[in-house]
Amino acid sequence: EAAVTQSPRNKVAVTGGKVTLSCNQTNNHNNMYWYRQDTGHGLRLIHYSYGAGSTEKGDIPDGYKASRPSQENFSLILELATPSQTSVYFCASGVGLTQNTLYFGAGTRLSVL
Amino acid sequence: GDSVTQTEGPVTVSESESLIINCTYSATSIAYPNLFWYVRYPGEGLQLLLKVITAGQKGSSRGFEATYNKETTSFHLQKASVQESDSAVYYCALGSNNNAGAKLTFGGGTRLTVRP
Repeated sequence: EAAVTQSPRNKVAVTGGKVTLSCNQTNNHNNMYWYRQDTGHGLRLIHYSYGAGSTEKGDIPDGYKASRPSQENFSLILELATPSQTSVYFCASGVGLTQNTLYFGAGTRLSVL
Repeated sequence: GDSVTQTEGPVTVSESESLIINCTYSATSIAYPNLFWYVRYPGEGLQLLLKVITAGQKGSSRGFEATYNKETTSFHLQKASVQESDSAVYYCALGSNNNAGAKLTFGGGTRLTVRP
């Protein structure tokens, strides 16, 4: 079965510190995505990628960078973490442009103190 | 921009009762949107519950149904008789099919609790 694995599952960071959230997929999907989920908001798209070496800005990219070094891995990087980035982050992979069905990881709960 | 509005939770119903979670959408940048319901069970990631890509059609899965109504821009989720195992968070989502990529716009999620 298709699998998307996120690490860590929980993270506590300090303001101004660097945080890297990792995502690995075994689906061989071209597209990968990072979303954040906050109370009162739907999932909001931060960055996405069409394949190894590509990253694209989503709807709320400010304060985040992304890296796609391989088909399987997609990282989200917070260079200078702020308390406003406290959230639950979801990684997802997808087949391609015409399918839209996404496969999600279990989420990473990040607290920035 | 595109947006999705759904029933604010939490919603609590008793087992065997009927359920409806409302979802309306605004697709300003998408001519022919695809519509989805995703579900997130405790401790798990979101998973696809059902999807409909053609207006007027109905999707169904695990006893849930939703009809894509282009006139009312709605995609309400219904189930005739819920079970305790249906307790989860439900997300309505809108998808584009254009060159901007297979991106989804999500509603805020509706937490459902089913009492035994």
